[in-house]
Amino acid sequence: DGGITQSPKYLFRKEGQNVTLSCEQNLNHDAMYWYRQDPGQGLRLIYYSQIVNDFQKGDIAEGYSVSREKKESFPLTVTSAQKNPTAFYLCASSFAGGELFFGEGSRLTVL
Amino acid sequence: GQQLNQSPQSMFIQEGEDVSMNCTSSSIFNTWLWYKQDPGEGPVLLIALYKAGELTSNGRLTAQFGITRKDSFLNISASIPSDVGIYFCAGQLAGGKLIFGQGTELSVKP
Repeated sequence: DGGITQSPKYLFRKEGQNVTLSCEQNLNHDAMYWYRQDPGQGLRLIYYSQIVNDFQKGDIAEGYSVSREKKESFPLTVTSAQKNPTAFYLCASSFAGGELFFGEGSRLTVL
Repeated sequence: GQQLNQSPQSMFIQEGEDVSMNCTSSSIFNTWLWYKQDPGEGPVLLIALYKAGELTSNGRLTAQFGITRKDSFLNISASIPSDVGIYFCAGQLAGGKLIFGQGTELSVKP
């Protein structure tokens, strides 16, 4: 089945540790995105990539890093510099200028 | 920056009732999208609207792209318990950037 796969679904991390969230898509989409969702809030854009080997900061990029070495993959690293990393993280992909399709999300909890 | 005002923030309704929610902005959008998010899951696309005045239905859902291109509404008719969730609107600007509303949390009492 075509779709977007995020892993892991749940992740616990100690303060000061970096953690990487995986996002893979087999929809042949050009663009990929990472959003952060906090309880009772909308989606905030962290990073996006419109083409392989290129990506841009979104509205809340501080404390995060990404890479786009393959069209299918767009991993997000939550670094120790992110002051409040506990959140629900959503990956999405689209054709250029098209509708976004989302993965099932990864819930990160910092202990 | 660009903002979308989505209302209401939450709704508590009886099964069988109709529901209406809307999004407004001072920005002009080329596309309006409506998503539903179940608890702990990613949003799922319900309806996409591409031109001003467009009225589109998907089963019991109906959405419209406002004539001014600055607003959109979503109606759900004859609500059922599985309609529970958070509904998001999203407007796409000319450059492709997508702006999300804050969401409307819908609760349906059987």
